[in-house]
Amino acid sequence: GNSVTQMEGPVTLSEEAFLTINCTYTATGYPSLFWYVQYPGEGLQLLLKATKADDKGSNKGFEATYRKETTSFHLEKGSVQVSDSAVYFCALNHGSSNTGKLIFGQGTTLQVKP
Amino acid sequence: DAGITQSPRHKVTETGTPVTLRCHQTENHRYMYWYRQDPGHGLRLIHYSYGVKDTDKGEVSDGYSVSRSKTEDFLLTLESATSSQTSVYFCAISESGAAQYFGPGTRLTVT
Repeated sequence: GNSVTQMEGPVTLSEEAFLTINCTYTATGYPSLFWYVQYPGEGLQLLLKATKADDKGSNKGFEATYRKETTSFHLEKGSVQVSDSAVYFCALNHGSSNTGKLIFGQGTTLQVKP
Repeated sequence: DAGITQSPRHKVTETGTPVTLRCHQTENHRYMYWYRQDPGHGLRLIHYSYGVKDTDKGEVSDGYSVSRSKTEDFLLTLESATSSQTSVYFCAISESGAAQYFGPGTRLTVT
C-alpha cells in the first residue's frame, strides 16, 4: 500500500546550519507530495507541495524536489533559524477519485539552538 | 489563514460517555477531514466528507461516526469513548481535494 517514511528525529542544529529532512514514499501512480509544519500547540500548516516529477516546491527558504526515480521528497533549508523549531511532516495525496486523502509520515522534530 | 475552528479545544470525559467534536469552516470548501494525532503515528485519517451528507471511512474509523448536514459543519462523534481514543483531533478542509488546511486541534482525554 501507499506509505511515507521520514527520518527519525529529533534533529538538533545550530542557528544558520544547513537542514535536510529525508522523506521517501511508496505509492502507485503519480501522487502529489507535501511538507507540513506544526509549531507547538498549533495545527499543521502547509509548507510546500509538488504535484509531478521534477517539480520543486519552495516557501520561506525551504525547498523540496519531487524525485520519482528515488521516490523521495527531501526537505532542505540553507540556513535555519530558531523560529524554524517545529515538527515537520511529509505527506502524499492518494485516492483515485481525487478525494484528497493524505498519508502522513510520522513527523520529524527539528530543534534549532541559538 | 483558512477559516477553520474546532470546538471544544480541550475536553476531559469518562469512559463510556458519548462525545461530539465540531469543526466549522467559513471557506465553503467541499472536502472536510477528521484526523487523530498520536506520538509515533503522525496523523491518521478517521473519516472524511466530499459534500453535504457524503462521507466515507478513513484508516482508523472504528468507534467513530461523522455527520455533515451543512457545508460548513463536520461533526465527529465517539458513541462510547474509550481510553484508546485519548488523542489530539484535527479537522482539515480542502477545496480541490489537493492541499489541505488544518484547524487548531482538540485535545481529548478519556479517563
